[in-house]
Amino acid sequence: QLVLTQSPSASASLGASVKLTCTLSSGHSSYAIAWHQQQPEKGPRYLMKLNSDGSHIKGDGIPDRFSGSSSGAERYLTISSLQSEDEADYYCQTWGTAIELFGGGTKLTVL
Amino acid sequence: EVPLLESGGGLVQPGESLRLSCAASGFTFSRYGMSWVRQAPGKGLEWVSGISGSGDSTYYADSVKGRFTISRDNSKNTLYLQMNSLRVEDTALYYCAKCRVPEKVLDAFAIWGQGTMVTVSS
Repeated sequence: QLVLTQSPSASASLGASVKLTCTLSSGHSSYAIAWHQQQPEKGPRYLMKLNSDGSHIKGDGIPDRFSGSSSGAERYLTISSLQSEDEADYYCQTWGTAIELFGGGTKLTVL
Repeated sequence: EVPLLESGGGLVQPGESLRLSCAASGFTFSRYGMSWVRQAPGKGLEWVSGISGSGDSTYYADSVKGRFTISRDNSKNTLYLQMNSLRVEDTALYYCAKCRVPEKVLDAFAIWGQGTMVTVSS
């Protein structure tokens, strides 16, 4: 069964870097995912599509501070030089033959 | 110009129906798969339904199968979600979303609307 697992919360200091993780369920390590950001009281915003080989395609206007990488069944979103506006919920998304799926989301706090 | 603009949300009683619309602009609507995604208050994102660019293929989450129907009118650049037999647990902000690349039914969502709120309560 296709499942995406994310840690519920993460925190890092202003100006630092943070790496968020999204884990694909067993047998699905070749799947691509997408990362989305949802700032408080706003709709989701597409950040990037991330392939199993670590290549990624970012959305328009997404700063270079946002990058993606992959290792096995894990997909990462790294945000460097953290800014206050990066405090948000981050969701990973994947898709199968007849389904789209989201992880539970990670709430990022910028200290 | 807002690429995706949802409308049609509101307050309804359990068992009633509602139809949501999503007006698209700025891209060739008929070439892209579209989906509805919802978010209950304080909760995460949940995919509801998806449809191919032509409208020939449709997919549903188990939680709404048999109650909701997704459709589109490519002549009007509009996506719809007909919601019947609504339940309290359907209460959520409903977003429409566009697939990143053309000709894909299910893919990364590259464009999101602002959402329309559906409240089901007696």
